[in-house]
Amino acid sequence: GENVEQHPSTLSVQEGDSAVIKCTYSDSASNYFPWYKQELGKRPQLIIDIRSNVGEKKDQRIAVTLNKTAKHFSLHITETQPEDSAVYFCAANSGAGSYQLTFGKGTKLSVIP
Amino acid sequence: DSGVTQTPKHLITATGQRVTLRCSPRSGDLSVYWYQQSLDQGLQFLIQYYNGEERAKGNILERFSAQQFPDLHSELNLSSLELGDSALYFCASSVELSDTGELFFGEGSRLTVL
Repeated sequence: GENVEQHPSTLSVQEGDSAVIKCTYSDSASNYFPWYKQELGKRPQLIIDIRSNVGEKKDQRIAVTLNKTAKHFSLHITETQPEDSAVYFCAANSGAGSYQLTFGKGTKLSVIP
Repeated sequence: DSGVTQTPKHLITATGQRVTLRCSPRSGDLSVYWYQQSLDQGLQFLIQYYNGEERAKGNILERFSAQQFPDLHSELNLSSLELGDSALYFCASSVELSDTGELFFGEGSRLTVL
């Protein structure tokens, strides 16, 4: 089955700096890579996703890049703000027709004012 | 508010007991997923239902079972509980049977086994 590794497990940045979280996946058939944000005590919420036919996607201060050859994808947050502090999870499916998302173990991002 | 409702929010029980967690998906969503979130383990996929039928199964223990009813709500049954079953159990729903769709999570049910 799919295996998703996520690094780092914790990340502290100064407000205004950029944050990068990296994930690798094992199943070459995976074609969907979402990122979820979970604030303390809250439910995970989708913040951005990318499909395998695209190399990069941006949404305001958030961007995701995908390297299918190397089987890794990354989340980039620019101009970080205190409200970006949360746990971020990457995930991957197991290809077309797979309804199971495999999540990474999460990255706790702390933005220091 | 995601529109996904989970009950109970908190549950404390003893080892060996059985509990049932309930989930009502967003209006119109036919797919329901169950995930377990333990410390240091991220979100572990348990099982998925679509319109009453089981569609995908993850690392769900034999002591656990689930079903989706005709009104589309779902229940996760956990039996012969062990200390290690203590976790936050999330239900999520999506509009359709899709391998690339957004999951809408409920607030979770926190289970503590003493």
